[in-house]
Amino acid sequence: DAKTTQPPSMDCAEGRAANLPCNHSTISGNEYVYWYRQIHSQGPQYIIHGLKNNETNEMASLIITEDRKSSTLILPHATLRDTAVYYCIVSGGTSYGKLTFGQGTILTVHP
Amino acid sequence: KAGVTQTPRYLIKTRGQQVTLSCSPISGHRSVSWYQQTPGQGLQFLFEYFSETQRNKGNFPGRFSGRQFSNSRSEMNVSTLELGDSALYLCASSLVAGLLQETQYFGPGTRLLVL
Repeated sequence: DAKTTQPPSMDCAEGRAANLPCNHSTISGNEYVYWYRQIHSQGPQYIIHGLKNNETNEMASLIITEDRKSSTLILPHATLRDTAVYYCIVSGGTSYGKLTFGQGTILTVHP
Repeated sequence: KAGVTQTPRYLIKTRGQQVTLSCSPISGHRSVSWYQQTPGQGLQFLFEYFSETQRNKGNFPGRFSGRQFSNSRSEMNVSTLELGDSALYLCASSLVAGLLQETQYFGPGTRLLVL
């Protein structure tokens, strides 16, 4: 699986958009970009994933660059409950159930 | 639809004992993966099961084992517990385990403390 690089921490004001970047320059053609978040050592929560097109769901938007070497997770209106560790993961092919987690980005949403 | 459930949620054991953790996947999901999370090593993949067969395994000693039943429920066992086995153990299930990665959904975890 391709390796990802994320900033260790980010801050965001409540009500503003949170834009979390991720670099995955070694991503291969059949690998997806997944985003999860983890709050207070609960189980990671699935947010969104994509292959090459931008994706949006009720939680967030995922913007993937045309060369697929980086992506941005956008939380459009951050709330205090969005404070969490956000993980960007690249996975696909014959991963057979293995997700490789990095250190993630600690997002802190301030009032 | 109910999510992934794990039992027990908390467990305290002493060194040298063994422990069995249980995971019930989302209904219809056939793949179950296990992860260990510690402050020092982060989230690490243990193994994955599909159709009662282990298809993938992480870099953990043989003291860590697992199995999957015909109803897709899974158990993991850790024998001869060590202090370093204290961790949050997470289980995740996915709908179809084919050649391409499917979205995994995680349970709340079992927190194991080894004294």
